[in-house]
Amino acid sequence: DGGITQSPKYLFRKEGQNVTLSCEQNLNHDAMYWYRQDPGQGLRLIYYSQIVNDFQKGDIAEGYSVSREKKESFPLTVTSAQKNPTAFYLCASGRGEWEKLFFGSGTQLSVL
Amino acid sequence: SQQGEEDPQALSIQEGENATMNCSYKTSINNLQWYRQNSGRGLVHLILIRSNEREKHSGRLRVTLDTSKKSSSLLITASRAADTASYFCATYLIQGAQKLVFGQGTRLTINP
Repeated sequence: DGGITQSPKYLFRKEGQNVTLSCEQNLNHDAMYWYRQDPGQGLRLIYYSQIVNDFQKGDIAEGYSVSREKKESFPLTVTSAQKNPTAFYLCASGRGEWEKLFFGSGTQLSVL
Repeated sequence: SQQGEEDPQALSIQEGENATMNCSYKTSINNLQWYRQNSGRGLVHLILIRSNEREKHSGRLRVTLDTSKKSSSLLITASRAADTASYFCATYLIQGAQKLVFGQGTRLTINP
């Protein structure tokens, strides 16, 4: 089955710890995105990548980092610099310019 | 930055009634998209309308776009309990990079 897979579904972070959220797609999409969603809110863009080995900051990139070493994978690291990391994180992919996005099922990150 | 704003923020109707949600945006767009999100899940693409289109249908969904007013509406006819979800509009900005920007969403509840 083609799709986009996020893992883990739930993740807990301790103070001062970096954690990495996984996002894998087998749709052969060039573009990949990370969004953050707070309760009852819309989606805010963290980072996006339109091609392998290239990515751009979104609207709320501070405290996050990404890599795009393979077309299929776009992991997101939530660093200790992100002081309010508790949120629902959504990964998405798309064919490219002006296209619709396909979303993963999300990762709920909480702070211990 | 939030490009789109949905109205109302929450809507509760009886099963079988029609539901209308509105979206306003600020700058010129290439296309406008509507997505649905069930609680705790990823988003699912519903429909895309291009800037040169005025109306589009997909099953029980009808979307209109008025570029002069920078607004769109999503109509769900003959609503069902399974339509209970949050609905988001999203737009790509004409200027700048390929960022799909989402509104805050409308939370729709269908009462049996």
